[in-house]
Amino acid sequence: AQSVAQPEDQVNVAEGNPLTVKCTYSVSGNPYLFWYVQYPNRGLQFLLKYITGDNLVKGSYGFEAEFNKSQTSFHLKKPSALVSDSALYFCAVRDRSNYQLIWGAGTKLIIKP
Amino acid sequence: GAGVSQSPSNKVTEKGKDVELRCDPISGHTALYWYRQSLGQGLEFLIYFQGNSAPDKSGLPSDRFSAERTGGSVSTLTIQRTQQEDSAVYLCASSLKGGGTNEKLFFGSGTQLSVL
Repeated sequence: AQSVAQPEDQVNVAEGNPLTVKCTYSVSGNPYLFWYVQYPNRGLQFLLKYITGDNLVKGSYGFEAEFNKSQTSFHLKKPSALVSDSALYFCAVRDRSNYQLIWGAGTKLIIKP
Repeated sequence: GAGVSQSPSNKVTEKGKDVELRCDPISGHTALYWYRQSLGQGLEFLIYFQGNSAPDKSGLPSDRFSAERTGGSVSTLTIQRTQQEDSAVYLCASSLKGGGTNEKLFFGSGTQLSVL
């Protein structure tokens, strides 16, 4: 069965430190990979996506994600965390032959001053 | 409109009552999705529209749930005889083409449904 795993329910990082939010997937073929962010009391927003090409994808708010085909991972990263990055982050994957996005359960990111 | 609009933003209802949730997608977007997000949980797919057609209704939890989309635009999600377990945030999203594309989804702010 196709699935997306975000192994950490919560990640705590001190402001200014690098952050990583993990995502691994089990989807056939070469899927499209996405990260979305949900700030408190706001709708989900697109952060970045991987389609093809360079394994390092850059997105909004200084975030980037690294696609690793052999490990079927798409971890979200940022070199220096801000308190305002505190939010709920979702990884999602789409099979290229299908319309449906498969979502991870989300990871709560808390950045402490 | 400028973004995906959902109404109401909050709905409190009594168990057994029917509710209607509305989604107004971005103008021109042919694909529309309904999701449900329970507290502390990920997104649960409910239904997908391509134009006015719903090729996939498999995510609807029971026959109390139904949805329609008219004019390729506004969609309504109806929950009949609401139960307490229906309490959740109902999210609507739209995209330009849908299908197996790499395009991103645009989400509304959701409707927080509370069934007492």
